[in-house]
Amino acid sequence: GQQLNQSPQSMFIQEGEDVSMNCTSSSIFNTWLWYKQDPGEGPVLLIALYKAGELTSNGRLTAQFGITRKDSFLNISASIPSDVGIYFCAGQLGFQKLVFGTGTRLLVSP
Amino acid sequence: GAVVSQHPSWVICKSGTSVKIECRSLDFQATTMFWYRQFPKQSLMLMATSNEGSKATYEQGVEKDKFLINHASLTLSTLTVTSAHPEDSSFYICSASRTGGTNTEAFFGQGTRLTVV
Repeated sequence: GQQLNQSPQSMFIQEGEDVSMNCTSSSIFNTWLWYKQDPGEGPVLLIALYKAGELTSNGRLTAQFGITRKDSFLNISASIPSDVGIYFCAGQLGFQKLVFGTGTRLLVSP
Repeated sequence: GAVVSQHPSWVICKSGTSVKIECRSLDFQATTMFWYRQFPKQSLMLMATSNEGSKATYEQGVEKDKFLINHASLTLSTLTVTSAHPEDSSFYICSASRTGGTNTEAFFGQGTRLTVV
């Protein structure tokens, strides 16, 4: 099935650093969602974006819906060890099924 | 966020037996639920869309007779892996969509680790 290009594939950073990851698509979406998945668990919704150009924050997380509707990024500021996990973007057009990104694995060193 | 409960969280079964996994939306009604399969270090791959009161829509390459889906109510969908084989061992995850106006959010269950021996 279709997957979105998500980069970077993995990151290893020091606690306190800021992190940025992005997601690109060849087709447009009208909803972008960002999830975090811990090992052995289902994805947990972090941020939902519904409007091109929209910038939304959730605590230390900030995500933006690209103006072209073909991309989105997620920033994490002042990372902490519990930020460790896999982050997935997902795009949706209308009420159709989600299309997931390939995931970004984040490791945070104390 | 909304709560989606998946049960069991893990199961070990013998080859040739069938396993049923339940997915419940606890605090909202979901006309549509989705079933995914995830292999280690990979993204989620959609298997099928479960529609309340009608037949599920399967993705290309997913055997509908092998992975039986039933969505009998607005809060419950079940996935039955029939005649399971070791290659069916995987992490299965469901999601339910909650719609508010024109916005839709998808919430996921905690996943079920299936091991077929």
